[in-house]
Amino acid sequence: EVQLLESGGGSVQPGGSLRVSCAASGFTFSNYAMNWVRQAPGKGLEWVSVISGSGGSTHYADSVKGRFTISRDNSKNTVHLQMSSLRAEDTAIYYCAKDSWRSFFDYWGQGILVTVSS
Amino acid sequence: EIVLTQSPGTLSLSPGERATLSCRATQSVTNSYLAWYQQKPGQAPRLLIYGASSRATGIPDRFSGSGSGTDFTLTISRLEPEDFAVFYCQQYGSSPPYTFGQGTKLEIK
Repeated sequence: EVQLLESGGGSVQPGGSLRVSCAASGFTFSNYAMNWVRQAPGKGLEWVSVISGSGGSTHYADSVKGRFTISRDNSKNTVHLQMSSLRAEDTAIYYCAKDSWRSFFDYWGQGILVTVSS
Repeated sequence: EIVLTQSPGTLSLSPGERATLSCRATQSVTNSYLAWYQQKPGQAPRLLIYGASSRATGIPDRFSGSGSGTDFTLTISRLEPEDFAVFYCQQYGSSPPYTFGQGTKLEIK
């Protein structure tokens, strides 16, 4: 059974940093790209970032480019999202989502809340 | 970047009725790489449809997807009480960013 479990969320002041992580199980982790998708309170879904199975390729939404860094540790079946220069508009539930074989998301974690507020 | 517009914003129907949700793209979606997700309150999204018309594992056959190019449709043939939720379309036909529509809320009339 595929499981994705996010951790590391919480509250941070504007301009601060935070790292969220996602522990995966139930599939061959290194074979699949992994994504982060976020959802601001009461709003829709926004794709944030993707990292390839090897970790050699990454992409970001324009809204987070230069501030967020995605990485993965295939030895620990974990993907991370390092967030810096955080803004109020980054407040959201952050979901870890497993790529299928073709960049739609077949499994999602339960999400972790990140709040940016003074 | 491809922008997806979903309509209607809210759809009010009764159990047993047929639901038709629309997703329109600003440019053609490569190879009909269009997915639909269902999200219930307090839950993560769930994949329903990929490739515009293929049902994901475990999805009941009352859910169907159709369309190509810039116009796509999700149809729920006969609504069950558990079907009421918010639905999102997503295109994955081009390189990132992978964009979502703004969502359609399906509510009980």
